[in-house]
Amino acid sequence: EAGVAQSPRYKIIEKRQSVAFWCNPISGHATLYWYQQILGQGPKLLIQFQNNGVVDDSQLPKDRFSAERLKGVDSTLKIQPAKLEDSAVYLCASSPPWQPNYGYTFGSGTRLTVV
Amino acid sequence: KQEVTQIPAALSVPEGENLVLNCSFTDSAIYNLQWFRQDPGKGLTSLLLIQSSQREQTSGRLNASLDKSSGRSTLYIAASQPGDSATYLCVTDSWGKLQFGAGTQVVVTP
Repeated sequence: EAGVAQSPRYKIIEKRQSVAFWCNPISGHATLYWYQQILGQGPKLLIQFQNNGVVDDSQLPKDRFSAERLKGVDSTLKIQPAKLEDSAVYLCASSPPWQPNYGYTFGSGTRLTVV
Repeated sequence: KQEVTQIPAALSVPEGENLVLNCSFTDSAIYNLQWFRQDPGKGLTSLLLIQSSQREQTSGRLNASLDKSSGRSTLYIAASQPGDSATYLCVTDSWGKLQFGAGTQVVVTP
């Protein structure tokens, strides 16, 4: 099966600019996550979708970050305006609902550098 | 709130030695525990998944154990190779709520 696709792989922007990331999960995976991983740290959850509904966005900085998952398939994460501290790898993950032997599949990530 | 700790934070071994990576978690009410590998600047690659009812899982040179009662999991990598150099992450899954450890950075020297 195809994996979780993310684009772009790399992005360099100036602070106060906007940026968008795209994720296409594995076909049939109802659950989709966006994580932010700052260098040297474990990933931090930004938002979790179940189909096209938001399950958890408690750690999403909503004044500058937004995410959507139209039609319950692919998803976009946007930052506007970007700050220097947003420099990180943004990871997308997906999983099917409640399959105990499946786990989670992650994309290759988008490395964002804000200068 | 679940907390996941990985010890050591970094490890350097010569090629051929066995690797032992430790993961501890505070809340034993987990659904799964999954070990991932992460290469610098890349995404996470799944290595092993242990369901809460299982005690261990094996894949090739990798073996992971789970002791829910003591809140511990251990990843063993036999006969390490330079290609095993990466960061290894332990992740607990509490019915869709994931908690990551900070990882163990492994360097295997030729």
